[in-house]
Amino acid sequence: GQSLEQPSEVTAVEGAIVQINCTYQTSGFYGLSWYQQHDGGAPTFLSYNALDGLEETGRFSSFLSRSDSYGYLLLQELQMKDSASYFCAVKGGATNKLIFGTGTLLAVQP
Amino acid sequence: GAVVSQHPSRVICKSGTSVKIECRSLDFQATTMFWYRQFPKKSLMLMATSNEGSKATYEQGVEKDKFLINHASLTLSTLTVTSAHPEDSSFYICSAPRAGDEQFFGPGTRLTVL
Repeated sequence: GQSLEQPSEVTAVEGAIVQINCTYQTSGFYGLSWYQQHDGGAPTFLSYNALDGLEETGRFSSFLSRSDSYGYLLLQELQMKDSASYFCAVKGGATNKLIFGTGTLLAVQP
Repeated sequence: GAVVSQHPSRVICKSGTSVKIECRSLDFQATTMFWYRQFPKKSLMLMATSNEGSKATYEQGVEKDKFLINHASLTLSTLTVTSAHPEDSSFYICSAPRAGDEQFFGPGTRLTVL
């Protein structure tokens, strides 16, 4: 089977930096993605790591260590609009289906 | 960017009725689409892979006779919840991958079964 574990909730203040961790167990590995979902909305793609290391996209960065089966999403200069749920996800094989992590609810406070 | 639409966005039905949800890729063709279900404050759970021109592939524990999937064309997949019951109330989301690219998600359909 496959499982991806994340902290259930994280709270931070505006302007701060927050890291959301993801540990995974998969039968195969085709890369780790991160998605943001606001309440009642669709998931939107944030970042993707196929190889070890850090990927930076504006205020968001994502890191992957395949040897540790671990990755994280780093959000910098937090804004109120970043309050949302964040999910890591792995591709479940060559079919492109995504297996999502347990999700982290981020609350950004003034 | 690519757009995936879903219809309806919200539906309320009586227990025992069937509900059809449509998922369309608006500006690209998708031979494969995916259907997810999400309960409040929970993660997205993959239900099935919709394959154009062939049978859907269901994840373990998902009843194929209850959740009928039809991939009628390269831009349309439908999910029919048959004989819906209150426990089927959930947020249903489809997605479609564009070749060599990320997946694009529909806006979701909130189903409430009374």
